[in-house]
Amino acid sequence: GQQVMQIPQYQHVQEGEDFTTYCNSSTTLSNIQWYKQRPGGHPVFLIQLVKSGEVKKQKRLTFQFGEAKKNSSLHITATQTTDVGTYFCAGNSGGSNYKLTFGKGTLLTVNP
Amino acid sequence: GAVVSQHPSRVICKSGTSVKIECRSLDFQATTMFWYRQFPKKSLMLMATSNEGSKATYEQGVEKDKFLINHASLTLSTLTVTSAHPEDSSFYICSASEAVLRGPQHFGDGTRLSIL
Repeated sequence: GQQVMQIPQYQHVQEGEDFTTYCNSSTTLSNIQWYKQRPGGHPVFLIQLVKSGEVKKQKRLTFQFGEAKKNSSLHITATQTTDVGTYFCAGNSGGSNYKLTFGKGTLLTVNP
Repeated sequence: GAVVSQHPSRVICKSGTSVKIECRSLDFQATTMFWYRQFPKKSLMLMATSNEGSKATYEQGVEKDKFLINHASLTLSTLTVTSAHPEDSSFYICSASEAVLRGPQHFGDGTRLSIL
């Protein structure tokens, strides 16, 4: 079945440093979504990427979807303590099956 | 908008008890809802896809007689953990999507189930 690998599993940074998490799917995706889960909370949708090579920005967050639609990345510039949480990518393979396959997530901690 | 309510938030009960968890989409209709299980510091594992008016689709390895899903209306899906045992203790979380195909999923707050 479809697998979505995500690295790193953990990342600890000093406030102000940049952060990147990477996602790789075993199959070509119809789209990829990114979610953030704060400690003790539930996943919150951040963004969806659909087009090959797509790049989207949300303030300090930059999301990329690979040309082959099999990999994606999330980059945070100048991290803040409010960025703490687990970032998940989730791939959708399309067709009549619209379920998401989640990566294992990257837990980001930020030292003030 | 797009709020999903999940109830209860926490359950502690004895082994052998059946536990029902509700998932409601408050401000939109959801023909499809999803049930996940999440272990501490782990990813979300999809258990089943709940379809309004029809049988749920279970993922491989998930016992459908153990985890009963009912999606009786466009705003409510329920998950019943039957005859729960300590190994069923986990964080169960539901999600729903406004768009049937490939839209973002909106998650409930989750239910922490502890079986003694």
